[in-house]
Amino acid sequence: NAGVTQTPKFQVLKTGQSMTLQCAQDMNHNSMYWYRQDPGMGLRLIYYSASEGTTDKGEVPNGYNVSRLNKREFSLRLESAAPSQTSVYFCASSVGGYTEAFFGQGTRLTVV
Amino acid sequence: GQQVMQIPQYQHVQEGEDFTTYCNSSTTLSNIQWYKQRPGGHPVFLIQLVKSGEVKKQKRLTFQFGEAKKNSSLHITATQTTDVGTYFCAGPGGAQKLVFGQGTRLTINP
Repeated sequence: NAGVTQTPKFQVLKTGQSMTLQCAQDMNHNSMYWYRQDPGMGLRLIYYSASEGTTDKGEVPNGYNVSRLNKREFSLRLESAAPSQTSVYFCASSVGGYTEAFFGQGTRLTVV
Repeated sequence: GQQVMQIPQYQHVQEGEDFTTYCNSSTTLSNIQWYKQRPGGHPVFLIQLVKSGEVKKQKRLTFQFGEAKKNSSLHITATQTTDVGTYFCAGPGGAQKLVFGQGTRLTINP
């Protein structure tokens, strides 16, 4: 009964370091998303994947890359972290693009 | 791209008062969803509205979808401390994307 699992839950990076946020869902969903949440900015879409093998940019893709490894997994990579990327990152999945989205617990990332 | 605007950004009420948040789009939406995020938590789906003029209720929560399918509202009657959190609307952003409004953060004075 895991739903959407994100790792890690917390991370502190130094400017310029790289890291990958992992996301996996066990609901056989087609669509997966990465959002970032900043105070007063709501949830902004970074990248999404409408189906296995496809990825597309969202509202704020700069500085990020993604990989839809298989139907279950959708990872988000920061190649060279910047303080502006300090945020809470949420992975989500849904059956289709416009259906109910299920969210992971979030990753709180601080870049110093 | 598609934008969904939500107001107000913040709302503070006394326990027992009503609360309403509004969501507006410049274009017609095929559907709209509402989510609740408790402090420190993740967004959780509440409901989806699809039909023009649709009204749905969940206990003290009433959700409406405008006749033109460009706006929506969430109304909470007689708020309780358990209603604290941020409420988001979300709509299709084209090409299978789901885009969220900025959210309304509700705080309640017990």
